[in-house]
Amino acid sequence: AQSVTQLDSQVPVFEEAPVELRCNYSSSVSVYLFWYVQYPNQGLQLLLKYLSGSTLVKGINGFEAEFNKSQTSFHLRKPSVHISDTAEYFCAVSLYGGATNKLIFGTGTLLAVQP
Amino acid sequence: DAGVIQSPRHEVTEMGQEVTLRCKPISGHNSLFWYRQTMMRGLELLIYFNNNVPIDDSGMPEDRFSAKMPNASFSTLKIQPSEPRDSAVYFCASRGGLAKYEQYFGPGTRLTVT
Repeated sequence: AQSVTQLDSQVPVFEEAPVELRCNYSSSVSVYLFWYVQYPNQGLQLLLKYLSGSTLVKGINGFEAEFNKSQTSFHLRKPSVHISDTAEYFCAVSLYGGATNKLIFGTGTLLAVQP
Repeated sequence: DAGVIQSPRHEVTEMGQEVTLRCKPISGHNSLFWYRQTMMRGLELLIYFNNNVPIDDSGMPEDRFSAKMPNASFSTLKIQPSEPRDSAVYFCASRGGLAKYEQYFGPGTRLTVT
């Protein structure tokens, strides 16, 4: 069975500093990987996705993530954060080739950007 | 594109009452998902449909919960009777067309059962 682990429940960071949000997954087969962002009182919005090809994926709002198959990780990074990046970030995985399969979500990481 | 539409956005009801949440997926999407989000349990998948057919309802908490998708553009999640522990934000998401693997979420319905 697949699973997703986001070890950091909260990450405080100062504005304009770099940030990395960690995500590790467990699966015996190949997977697709996603990062979603949830701003307060809103639904989840897709930040970026890895389906195949280049392991470095760029998303919206200056975020990027790198797929590392050997470490089964998909960490999210941003070189310089803004106050407006304060939100909950969710990592998710689904089975490769399983277009009808569901997404398995991590427990989320709250990114708290301080001035 | 209007995105996924959910109604109502907020619902306050008394214990024992029936509650119906509604969802309109993105046009052209053929998969629809219902989630529940709480502080204690995080984001939980309740049920999902593919081409209007329920595929996996293993996340539905109990018989008080039911979901239908009578056509490709509409789905309901019903709770009868409602209980205070059902208080949560309920999200609908859809997938399909060019968005073959990722899901697109609606704004959610915040349900409070008193």
